[in-house]
Amino acid sequence: DAKTTQPPSMDCAEGRAANLPCNHSTISGNEYVYWYRQIHSQGPQYIIHGLKNNETNEMASLIITEDRKSSTLILPHATLRDTAVYYCIVRANSGGGADGLTFGKGTHLIIQP
Amino acid sequence: EPEVTQTPSHQVTQMGQEVILRCVPISNHLYFYWYRQILGQKVEFLVSFYNNEISEKSEIFDDQFSVERPDGSNFTLKIRSTKLEDSAMYFCASSKTIRLANQPQHFGDGTRLSIL
Repeated sequence: DAKTTQPPSMDCAEGRAANLPCNHSTISGNEYVYWYRQIHSQGPQYIIHGLKNNETNEMASLIITEDRKSSTLILPHATLRDTAVYYCIVRANSGGGADGLTFGKGTHLIIQP
Repeated sequence: EPEVTQTPSHQVTQMGQEVILRCVPISNHLYFYWYRQILGQKVEFLVSFYNNEISEKSEIFDDQFSVERPDGSNFTLKIRSTKLEDSAMYFCASSKTIRLANQPQHFGDGTRLSIL
């Protein structure tokens, strides 16, 4: 079973920041937090990942709490194309990279015009 | 931007027949994966593959399934004798390896397998 908890759905107005929370209270010291999204009928798309520091890339920002028990994915200026299911996944740093990802049900983010 | 490609996009097969799903991973990636998603359900890990052998597999990946990297570019999933419950989207993914850090998996857009 997934080691994360996410709200099943969220709404956000177009142009506003979308803040998607994730709880991972049992995360281990060597586990990364990954975010993916799945737009209808497409494959999961990698967004961002982090260990303990906040991270930012061209798609989003990831804020991880100091105790690492929760995180927030921020889409700074949401567009209609950001409507998707967003998955928060924890994954151990195996060093080899072969571990399969465990997907939960995610958060269905709906961007309203 | 390089991407994972999968063919065909939709495969319709009679129950009991063999089916091969094909994937071309990103060219400098070394780890390859198959996942499936039954309609309305979660994405489920099937198998990972590295250096021409299976690295990890889930309980779903039973003797009916096999994977192969037949040449330097393709990665295939074979289902020997399909069942109705094999109907699903099948996603291929690939990742680099860097020993000191995790690398993200990049997914294709999937093959929709319909078993009649």
